[in-house]
Amino acid sequence: SAVISQKPSRDICQRGTSLTIQCQVDSQVTMMFWYRQQPGQSLTLIATANQGSEATYESGFVIDKFPISRPNLTFSTLTVSNMSPEDSSIYLCSVVTPGGYTFGSGTRLTVV
Amino acid sequence: GQQLNQSPQSMFIQEGEDVSMNCTSSSIFNTWLWYKQDPGEGPVLLIALYKAGELTSNGRLTAQFGITRKDSFLNISASIPSDVGIYFCAGLLSTGGGNKLTFGTGTQLKVEL
Repeated sequence: SAVISQKPSRDICQRGTSLTIQCQVDSQVTMMFWYRQQPGQSLTLIATANQGSEATYESGFVIDKFPISRPNLTFSTLTVSNMSPEDSSIYLCSVVTPGGYTFGSGTRLTVV
Repeated sequence: GQQLNQSPQSMFIQEGEDVSMNCTSSSIFNTWLWYKQDPGEGPVLLIALYKAGELTSNGRLTAQFGITRKDSFLNISASIPSDVGIYFCAGLLSTGGGNKLTFGTGTQLKVEL
């Protein structure tokens, strides 16, 4: 299955600032997915990132708050903009592999 | 939207015991997946189920895709301390609009030595 590297693994940020999270895959994939996992909760899909087109956002998530880039078939970024303490979560990227969906180890974000 | 309810929410069992957890949905899915998440890590795929009624094993793990396509269960036999973690079911629905993976609420497993 694919190997996914996420950076940073964790960060503590001031409210009002923005953080860009990177996701690198060791093979070319058509679709990449970004999830949020709030403390003690399950995973919620933020958006689907396809190379060459705009990301598709799920209900409750908007591009202004979570802009996504997908410049090629192995890389994507998610930016968490104008952060507030409510954005403190684990953010994970995921790709489809022959056996299922593979996840990165996540970015643990704390907003103070 | 779709919701996947997992039960139990948490379990505290003795080492060597068998564990059973299940996942139910208000909607049907094409595929059921079971994941385990350790602290500080992303979910790791344990078992994938592709058709209704399918029963699949992976070592001490056994999972089944419910006949109605709205439920699935995961069994762990002879639990060991490294089984500790959070287990998530996930349902995949493939439509003309693409694939969407929906996660369950999770079952936290704690194993007592």
